[in-house]
Amino acid sequence: GAVVSQHPSRVICKSGTSVKIECRSLDFQATTMFWYRQFPKKSLMLMATSNEGSKATYEQGVEKDKFLINHASLTLSTLTVTSAHPEDSSFYICSARDGGSSYNEQFFGPGTRLTVL
Amino acid sequence: AQSVSQHNHHVILSEAASLELGCNYSYGGTVNLFWYVQYPGQHLQLLLKYFSGDPLVKGIKGFEAEFIKSKFSFNLRKPSVQWSDTAEYFCAVNTKAAGNKLTFGGGTRVLVKP
Repeated sequence: GAVVSQHPSRVICKSGTSVKIECRSLDFQATTMFWYRQFPKKSLMLMATSNEGSKATYEQGVEKDKFLINHASLTLSTLTVTSAHPEDSSFYICSARDGGSSYNEQFFGPGTRLTVL
Repeated sequence: AQSVSQHNHHVILSEAASLELGCNYSYGGTVNLFWYVQYPGQHLQLLLKYFSGDPLVKGIKGFEAEFIKSKFSFNLRKPSVQWSDTAEYFCAVNTKAAGNKLTFGGGTRVLVKP
């Protein structure tokens, strides 16, 4: 089956530093990847849509300069949280859509828990 | 814009009881519907999906869901739950008009008592 990995699974950083999270599709080519944020006991909120080779599309209210997304290849997208602050602490989840599939199904990564001190 | 609502935030039931989780969406056109499950400490997994065809969809682990277009609903059911079904369940929808972006409901936390 389609597998999506994320690295790291957990990261703790100091306020003001930047953190990069990687999302990889392991056994399929993902033309589109999505980044979500999940607050405790809340649902997933879509942050941005990342298309390979082009700029990401951000949802309303998401700061593109703070959450930098790069989708440099068909199997890798990265999310960089720049100048992180405690309010950025959250669970970040990526998903990937199989470009070779006729179905619009997304496969989710295991998530990255970011804690900003 | 599409939206999804899940009626129950928390459900507590005993093993062998039947489970039904409500999901309603708002969108007038063609939709794709999904139910995801998130077990404690694990990532989202797809339980089942509806794209077209038979509105009664069977998924993994004994779950099924029925798409009722006239009610804009996609309720999830399981006839007899197990303790291992304790998890959070999310209904989601995507549409071509919205660029196939998934919109999630608020989730329902299910606790099955042994």
